[in-house]
Amino acid sequence: DADVTQTPRNRITKTGKRIMLECSQTKGHDRMYWYRQDPGLGLRLIYYSFDVKDINKGEISDGYSVSRQAQAKFSLSLESAIPNQTALYFCATSESRDSNTGELFFGEGSRLTVL
Amino acid sequence: KNQVEQSPQSLIILEGKNCTLQCNYTVSPFSNLRWYKQDTGRGPVSLTIMTFSENTKSNGRYTATLDADTKQSSLHITASQLSDSASYICVVSANNQGGKLIFGQGTELSVKP
Repeated sequence: DADVTQTPRNRITKTGKRIMLECSQTKGHDRMYWYRQDPGLGLRLIYYSFDVKDINKGEISDGYSVSRQAQAKFSLSLESAIPNQTALYFCATSESRDSNTGELFFGEGSRLTVL
Repeated sequence: KNQVEQSPQSLIILEGKNCTLQCNYTVSPFSNLRWYKQDTGRGPVSLTIMTFSENTKSNGRYTATLDADTKQSSLHITASQLSDSASYICVVSANNQGGKLIFGQGTELSVKP
């Protein structure tokens, strides 16, 4: 089983629909992240969480929200999906609070298409 | 502005050949530089992490170099295999901003038989 599991792996939805992407990890890491990947662009940080009570916005948080339900679970929501949110979404974890040295472990990705 | 630029954008080589991928960055203050391999449809997987004091690091057939003075890194792949076909992503960590990671756009490598 994967250490970082994302569901669903693929999702097609319509404009205006609410979508939730879920991430769970068995690595016991405190830090969890949501990234978005678009063709020709580097991964961009949407939200990150140091622990259950700590949620921080990344560089492109508009239109997204997150929930850290437990140390192992971090979900990403699109309250009203729009076509330019079509992308590949990755959840990641890291062990160290000092992300200067903590290695990132990524999930397999969730491909979202908004029509 | 903190940026990471990778070249080439894409590369096709024959199986068994060597290749070198480049990464230039303008991130300051610098903390560390990472190379990730991303297979199609999969999440990125870490290959190496180098700090300021390290100028070379190997992981099997992958060797990364870092020149902190010129702000350049390279990833050299020796005796390429078909399984090396992937996107290779350079990531630089800033020593401020809570260790913010700046991702390059990746180099798409295709190894042909």
